[in-house]
Amino acid sequence: NAGVTQTPKFQVLKTGQSMTLQCAQDMNHNSMYWYRQDPGMGLRLIYYSASEGTTDKGEVPNGYNVSRLNKREFSLRLESAAPSQTSVYFCASSEEGNSEQYFGPGTRLTVT
Amino acid sequence: DQQVKQNSPSLSVQEGRISILNCDYTNSMFDYFLWYKKYPAEGPTFLISISSIKDKNEDGRFTVFLNKSAKHLSLHIVPSQPGDSAVYFCAASTWVRSYNTDKLIFGTGTRLQVFP
Repeated sequence: NAGVTQTPKFQVLKTGQSMTLQCAQDMNHNSMYWYRQDPGMGLRLIYYSASEGTTDKGEVPNGYNVSRLNKREFSLRLESAAPSQTSVYFCASSEEGNSEQYFGPGTRLTVT
Repeated sequence: DQQVKQNSPSLSVQEGRISILNCDYTNSMFDYFLWYKKYPAEGPTFLISISSIKDKNEDGRFTVFLNKSAKHLSLHIVPSQPGDSAVYFCAASTWVRSYNTDKLIFGTGTRLQVFP
């Protein structure tokens, strides 16, 4: 039982490049979330998905897209990376009716 | 506009003493609060939570207190141990009725260092 897994762990992009961050959970959770963590800013919600087939914006969605591929997988895409997207990205999941979220280990992204 | 605030970026406490981490919120509609602990290079892990119908919840060395009138919660760790050294985030839950799920709004975190 791996919990929440994220790939890659580290990534360096040039401005304008695109990439997709992958997230998968094996806990049969309905809800999944993407956050970014920046110094002094805490964790900010980018997008979330309450169930397979539904997604919605969080606090900071600009510059990102998401896909809930199936119940297990929730990906985050940067179409044209910008230096302001340099951050640590965390994926999380939770079961229906439970506020407790389980987090993955994070992806550290640097955009130069 | 920060709805959940942790005004102390860092706290240093001697081993064996009490650590008190504070959190303030602005939205009176929040009805559930959580504390997460984060070690470097790892994801946050859930520590303890409290519903707005309670004013205290205890789990071993960890106790969370909620003062709704002051919109304030605090996490007490007694006794503090070196392994407690981490960043602590408080979070408030907001329910999304249309999706039957909730979202968490996090504070900016407090770095706790417990020294021998």
